[in-house]
Amino acid sequence: DAKTTQPPSMDCAEGRAANLPCNHSTISGNEYVYWYRQIHSQGPQYIIHGLKNNETNEMASLIITEDRKSSTLILPHATLRDTAVYYCIVRVVTGGYNKLIFGAGTRLAVHP
Amino acid sequence: SQTIHQWPATLVQPVGSPLSLECTVEGTSNPNLYWYRQAAGRGLQLLFYSVGIGQISSEVPQNLSASRPQDRQFILSSKKLLLSDSGFYLCAWSGQGGYEQYFGPGTRLTVT
Repeated sequence: DAKTTQPPSMDCAEGRAANLPCNHSTISGNEYVYWYRQIHSQGPQYIIHGLKNNETNEMASLIITEDRKSSTLILPHATLRDTAVYYCIVRVVTGGYNKLIFGAGTRLAVHP
Repeated sequence: SQTIHQWPATLVQPVGSPLSLECTVEGTSNPNLYWYRQAAGRGLQLLFYSVGIGQISSEVPQNLSASRPQDRQFILSSKKLLLSDSGFYLCAWSGQGGYEQYFGPGTRLTVT
């Protein structure tokens, strides 16, 4: 499974876009990029995933570079409630059981 | 819609006492079920997963065990708790295939 590299921490002003980078330079063609976040004292929350096309849902946008070696999770208008640890995970998707491995993630602090 | 429940929310148990944590899922059938543990200030560690009734796979050797007596019920147990068993225990479910896992509210266990 491809290794991911994320900055340990980032800051963002409330109302501005938060752009969280993830480097996965060893990603293979059948590996997906998944993003989760964990707000303090809660379980992780699935955000979004993609293979090679950019994706958008009600929570965020995922931009994957053309060579797929890096991606960016975008929270378009960050709020204080978006303060959390954000995890970028790269995995092959197979039928049945699929194991998630959480790394250290990026601690995003949204401030007023 | 799908809902995942865990109880109790918090638990304080003495060393050597037994443990039983329960997780139930509503609104889906034949889910994959998972138990994770998060020690204070640490990342998530997958403990057990189950792809069906009575089918349990263990990720790490320990004094914990898991059972799945019904399709949407997952139980984490121990006969004798250790101090090192303290942590935040999270149950999660997913469909077959993919990595979208949905986490419960968690149980915070303190072994004294």
